[in-house]
Amino acid sequence: GQSLEQPSEVTAVEGAIVQINCTYQTSGFYGLSWYQQHDGGAPTFLSYNGLDGLEETGRFSSFLSRSDSYGYLLLQELQMKDSASYFCAVRDGGWGKLQFGAGTQVVVTP
Amino acid sequence: GAGVSQTPSNKVTEKGKYVELRCDPISGHTALYWYRQSLGQGPEFLIYFQGTGAADDSGLPNDRFFAVRPEGSVSTLKIQRTERGDSAVYLCASSKGQARETDTQYFGPGTRLTVL
Repeated sequence: GQSLEQPSEVTAVEGAIVQINCTYQTSGFYGLSWYQQHDGGAPTFLSYNGLDGLEETGRFSSFLSRSDSYGYLLLQELQMKDSASYFCAVRDGGWGKLQFGAGTQVVVTP
Repeated sequence: GAGVSQTPSNKVTEKGKYVELRCDPISGHTALYWYRQSLGQGPEFLIYFQGTGAADDSGLPNDRFFAVRPEGSVSTLKIQRTERGDSAVYLCASSKGQARETDTQYFGPGTRLTVL
């Protein structure tokens, strides 16, 4: 079957670094994306990896290893506003259709 | 410009009724998507429009669900004979053009549908 696995919850203190892993098993693979969603809010695009390697956008970085069917999102210098759910998503076929993981709730404590 | 908007923000209906959910995409975005999200889960793909046509409707769960985008802008998701299991947040997203641009999707705030 097709699946994306990510931890359900991660807790860390302000200023720390958090890594959210995502492993996927899909019939095809055309890229891994990450979205952030605050409680009651809309998912917001964070990053995309189409090729192996690291993509950096400010405090957030995302990594992909296609041979391992694995990626991660790295959140650095955690801030209270980073408390949210983070979803990995795979495009496993034609354009436009994303398959999302169940999400990782990140809780930042003072 | 303005983001993706969805109306209503909340909809409560009775089992068996018909509902329509509206999505206004970002101006100039030709691609539009519908997802639904249950509590504690990620968004689940329903349908993808490129312009006026449905490019991929493989996520619609059954024939009670239908979506249109007659002029290539606003879209309406229609659910007939609603069931309690249809209760969820229905999210709409849009993106630029085609191909790689569809990997960056901009989501609206969603419509919370509750079927009693």
